[in-house]
Amino acid sequence: DAGVIQSPRHEVTEMGQEVTLRCKPISGHNSLFWYRQTMMRGLELLIYFNNNVPIDDSGMPEDRFSAKMPNASFSTLKIQPSEPRDSAVYFCASRFGSTDTQYFGPGTRLTVL
Amino acid sequence: GESVGLHLPTLSVQEGDNSIINCAYSNSASDYFIWYKQESGKGPQFIIDIRSNMDKRQGQRVTVLLNKTVKHLSLQIAATQPGDSAVYFCAEVAGNQFYFGTGTSLTVIP
Repeated sequence: DAGVIQSPRHEVTEMGQEVTLRCKPISGHNSLFWYRQTMMRGLELLIYFNNNVPIDDSGMPEDRFSAKMPNASFSTLKIQPSEPRDSAVYFCASRFGSTDTQYFGPGTRLTVL
Repeated sequence: GESVGLHLPTLSVQEGDNSIINCAYSNSASDYFIWYKQESGKGPQFIIDIRSNMDKRQGQRVTVLLNKTVKHLSLQIAATQPGDSAVYFCAEVAGNQFYFGTGTSLTVIP
């Protein structure tokens, strides 16, 4: 089992550029979560999908953030345009069922200059 | 001056001693609880879970205790090792809602 896969692991970009983060959940898991972790705010849930459908996106900071899940094995989180305050570690997690635990990927460390 | 960033509770223990990390949860409807360990530069890693119909569950070197009366969860680590140094998060699940605590930083002194 490869676990949750995220790419890239590190991303450095300049303010105003578009950033796309990618996630491949564990095979067979039907829920996928995007989190952001910073020293200021800790771990924040941005959005989660159930069976590829966005269920709760109330944590998405603003319209610059968007997430898609075109199929059960792939999701993207896009920031356009990026700003320095978006610098954080972005985690993807997946789970099977509605009450099982979430399994986290290694994260993408984003730095916006 | 103004402080910035989260002030994580910290716990320092001597190698070989037992560690107890506590977590208070807020939602009385939460029926599933999970402890995660996050090492520096890595994602949170599942350690152990417990459902609300239990008050204790044991794993390898770890025990989770649940007190629903006071909405309190604890993680006990036996014979703490240097590799246990990390930030530990509790999470509570109520239906489709998933809530993470801010975490406790555990440092094991060799």
